[in-house]
Amino acid sequence: SQQGEEDPQALSIQEGENATMNCSYKTSINNLQWYRQNSGRGLVHLILIRSNEREKHSGRLRVTLDTSKKSSSLLITASRAADTASYFCATDATGGFKTIFGAGTRLFVKA
Amino acid sequence: DGGITQSPKYLFRKEGQNVTLSCEQNLNHDAMYWYRQDPGQGLRLIYYSQIVNDFQKGDIAEGYSVSREKKESFPLTVTSAQKNPTAFYLCASSPHRDSNQPQHFGDGTRLSIL
Repeated sequence: SQQGEEDPQALSIQEGENATMNCSYKTSINNLQWYRQNSGRGLVHLILIRSNEREKHSGRLRVTLDTSKKSSSLLITASRAADTASYFCATDATGGFKTIFGAGTRLFVKA
Repeated sequence: DGGITQSPKYLFRKEGQNVTLSCEQNLNHDAMYWYRQDPGQGLRLIYYSQIVNDFQKGDIAEGYSVSREKKESFPLTVTSAQKNPTAFYLCASSPHRDSNQPQHFGDGTRLSIL
């Protein structure tokens, strides 16, 4: 079945550096979403990019979408220790209702 | 503030026991979802409801049951038929039946076996 798969599984960086996470998926989508999850908490929606969009920004977040490669990337600029969390991509199949979540990238930002 | 409330935060189940996880939202959302999350993994859909008095099985519905008698509430029962229930359970909602909507999540219930 369709699934977003994040890469890398884990990422450790210094505060102030940029963090890039990638997501690949298998079938056509209506949109792709990125979520954040702090340890032991629920997911928080970060950004949604539609299939006809190529790039979207929100604060320190930049998301790109390449539908020809079926991939997306999430860039967090000037990372902070508070950015330490797991980040998930989620996709919807065209014509479907369900949202499919990947396994996530665990980001650790060292102060 | 509007949001989703899950209770309890921690729950322990004995062998052969059914337990019910509560999920309440005051966002006036039509659609609600239950997910299961195992350590280091993504979310797997258990059940979802697009409107009151209607719900559908997700990818891992066996051993679980739900009801949607009120718009605000979508309780999940983990039955004794679910042989490996230890996991983190997340409830979510979205405004409309259209899947192209960001989902709002509660803070989860962690279920363990005694």
